[in-house]
Order: sequence, then C-alpha cells, then structure tokens
Amino acid sequence: EVQLEESGGGLVQPGGSLRLSCAAAGFDFDTYWMSWVRQAPGKGLEWVANIKQDGSEKYYGDSVKGRVTVSRDNAKKSLDLQMKSLRVEDTAVYYCVRGSGSYLGFDHWGQGTLVTVSS
Amino acid sequence: SYVLTQPPSVSVAPGQTARISCGGDGIVSKTVHWYQQRPGQAPVLVIYDDSDRPSGIPERFSGSNSGNRATLTISRVVAGDEADYFCQVWDRNTDHPVVFGGGTKLTVL
Repeated sequence: EVQLEESGGGLVQPGGSLRLSCAAAGFDFDTYWMSWVRQAPGKGLEWVANIKQDGSEKYYGDSVKGRVTVSRDNAKKSLDLQMKSLRVEDTAVYYCVRGSGSYLGFDHWGQGTLVTVSS
Repeated sequence: SYVLTQPPSVSVAPGQTARISCGGDGIVSKTVHWYQQRPGQAPVLVIYDDSDRPSGIPERFSGSNSGNRATLTISRVVAGDEADYFCQVWDRNTDHPVVFGGGTKLTVL
C-alpha cells in the first residue's frame, strides 16, 4: 500500500522558515516524480513544486519561486520542502503527492500538514 | 502562465448526470486529470490522461477532452459524489508545468 506521511507543519511568524518532510512507503520511491501541492483554507489546490526521480529537475510555482527548495533522499525515501521568508499567504495545508505516468497525474496524496504563518 | 477555468458550482439531482467543464487555451492538445475532494479529505484522482479511470473509481466517472474544453461526466449521481472537483494539466515544456483549475463544487440536490 502506498503511504505518504507529511510532517513539520506548525505556526511560524512572517519572515520565518520551516522545513516540511514527507516519508514515503509501499512503492519504489526513486522511480516517481514527487510534488508538493498546497491548499489555503477554503481555497483551491495550488501546485508548489516538482522534483524528478533523480533530483536533476526541479520546478516551482510562481508564488513560491526563490523562497522554497524541494529536495529528496531516495535512500531514505523522503521528500523535503525547505521554506523561507514565509508570508501570511503561505498559510495552507501542504500535501506530499506522487506523480504517475507520462503526464504526471497525481495518483497518491498524503493527508497533509498545516502551515500557519501568523504573528 | 496557463489558466484553466472551471465553473464555481454545478448542481444535479440524484440519479441524473453531472458535467463539469474545464476550459483552457488549446486544451485539446494537453492531457487533463481530474480530482475529487470531499470535505476534510485529501484529493483523489478520479480521471487521468483525459479519460482513463484509476482502479477503484466507479465506471460512472468518465472524462473527455475535445474542442476547447475538457469535461468530467458523472452518471447516475449519488449523494456521496458531492465534493469539489479540480482539473489539472502537466506541461513539461514550460517552467510552470503544473496547473490546477479553480475547482467546481458539485451539489447533489
């Protein structure tokens, strides 16, 4: 069974930093693109970042570009998202997501971790 | 960056057919995926690659992509289908390869 479990969310002040982690299990982690997708309270889904199987390609959404870094450790089957210069508008549930197929359908999602940016 | 447009809401009576559209410039040349999100839950992939269903998704869910829009069709709607639905495309040839539509709230009357 595919499992994705996020951790690291919490309350942080504007301008602060936070590192999210995702532990993967139940599949060959190093053969899949992985992504972070977020959802602000009461809002829609917003793609945050993608990382290729070997980490050689990374892409970021416009609203977070320059402030977040996605990384992965295939040996540990883990995915990270380092966030800095956090803003109130970064408040959201952050999902760890597996991308599948040639057109990267997101076929498995974690339950999400809540990041709250507030003073 | 690329924009996907969905109607904010769609309402349908039980047993009827719901159709949720997803519009975008030249969308027929892209591959569309659809997600269902029930309140308080993570999204679930219900249609991938325009019209394929993951295992475990009822045959009542189908997808198409033609003209200037993609469409998620839910036949014989039941109360449990009430949820938010999001379309999404992936275009590796841009530096913003993943785009979601704004979402459609499906209400079962």
